[in-house]
Amino acid sequence: GDSVTQMEGPVTLSEEAFLTINCTYTATGYPSLFWYVQYPGEGLQLLLKATKADDKGSNKGFEATYRKETTSFHLEKGSAQVSDSAVYFCALSGGGGNYQLIWGAGTKLIIKP
Amino acid sequence: DGGITQSPKYLFRKEGQNVTLSCEQNLNHDAMYWYRQDPGQGLRLIYYSQIVNDFQKGDIAEGYSVSREKKESFPLTVTSAQKNPTAFYLCASSMGHTLPEAFFGQGTRLTVV
Repeated sequence: GDSVTQMEGPVTLSEEAFLTINCTYTATGYPSLFWYVQYPGEGLQLLLKATKADDKGSNKGFEATYRKETTSFHLEKGSAQVSDSAVYFCALSGGGGNYQLIWGAGTKLIIKP
Repeated sequence: DGGITQSPKYLFRKEGQNVTLSCEQNLNHDAMYWYRQDPGQGLRLIYYSQIVNDFQKGDIAEGYSVSREKKESFPLTVTSAQKNPTAFYLCASSMGHTLPEAFFGQGTRLTVV
């Protein structure tokens, strides 16, 4: 079945460092891909999405490109901020005509001043 | 403002008691979901509903029950049969096929005392 694999955390970076969180997927068909962010004690918020190959989703300085050839959707940000510290979830939907979200395990990101 | 509301934010339950977690959305979404999140863990699907008066078990439905009598509401009951109910519970909704991304409530933290 469809699945999502994220890099294990925690990922610890210094402020202003380049940020990358890896996400790869296995899916039939042509899924949509998502990144969600969860701050402590809160629900998840949609950060960005991409619905077809080579699409780039972007929001709040974060970007991710839908790479069908490598089945990847890595999250990147040029300059990390302390406020980016959170848990990030990669997810896919619609791989085989099923629109339900398939979730990665989440990656905890810690940005140190 | 449109959104999804969970209540209460914190809930304490004595062993052997049933408790019901509320989830209401005014986004006119067809699909609604309940997830469980344990500390440092990802999301596990408990139940989901794609339409009023219909719902399906997710990966960890044992010890839980739901109803979907109205489009806006999807309450979750944690029964005494759930052996380890202490967790963070998240409710989400989506448009389903037309727009699969999910919108989340702020969560309910349930603690057994």
